[in-house]
Amino acid sequence: TQLLEQSPQFLSIQEGENLTVYCNSSSVFSSLQWYRQEPGEGPVLLVTVVTGGEVKKLKRLTFQFGDARKDSSLHITAAQPGDTGLYLCAGVVGARTYKYIFGTGTRLKVLA
Amino acid sequence: DAGVIQSPRHEVTEMGQEVTLRCKPISGHNSLFWYRQTMMRGLELLIYFNNNVPIDDSGMPEDRFSAKMPNASFSTLKIQPSEPRDSAVYFCASSFSGGTSYEQYFGPGTRLTVT
Repeated sequence: TQLLEQSPQFLSIQEGENLTVYCNSSSVFSSLQWYRQEPGEGPVLLVTVVTGGEVKKLKRLTFQFGDARKDSSLHITAAQPGDTGLYLCAGVVGARTYKYIFGTGTRLKVLA
Repeated sequence: DAGVIQSPRHEVTEMGQEVTLRCKPISGHNSLFWYRQTMMRGLELLIYFNNNVPIDDSGMPEDRFSAKMPNASFSTLKIQPSEPRDSAVYFCASSFSGGTSYEQYFGPGTRLTVT
């Protein structure tokens, strides 16, 4: 069974602080995605990374895919209360499958 | 586009009853996924369809669960009989599976409570 472990599980920080969330696995993924989920809603896609070593930026969010395509990180600069939510990584295994394995999740709370 | 539509949004039922969850994917998408989310187990893939055909149902917990996709715009997830441990939020997601696209779009979920 492929597993995606995220760390930390919970994170409570003050507005303006920086943070990094990690997503690790022993499996190689064709691509990896990050989602944010707010209470009572479904996950919303933030980014997809495909190439090992790839870095993508979305405003204050920076996403990196590991060189071996087994891990990824999400870095948030100057966190804001609107960043509060559950962050999920999801990996696609294989080239001709669309089976997504979701990570264990990181619950982030940004205090004003 | 209205996005992925799920109904009902909330369902409360008694143990032993049949429950049917419904999903309308985004028009033009050819893959549909059913997930279950709980605090203990996180987000688990139950089954996914590609072009209305079930491709992988290895995540379906047991025979009490069944899913159908009679056409490209509708899918159901049925639990019969339901048990308290089935209580969870069930999400449907759709995507266009082609080339290098792997982007999924989730519906708002159905919160199921089995008493």
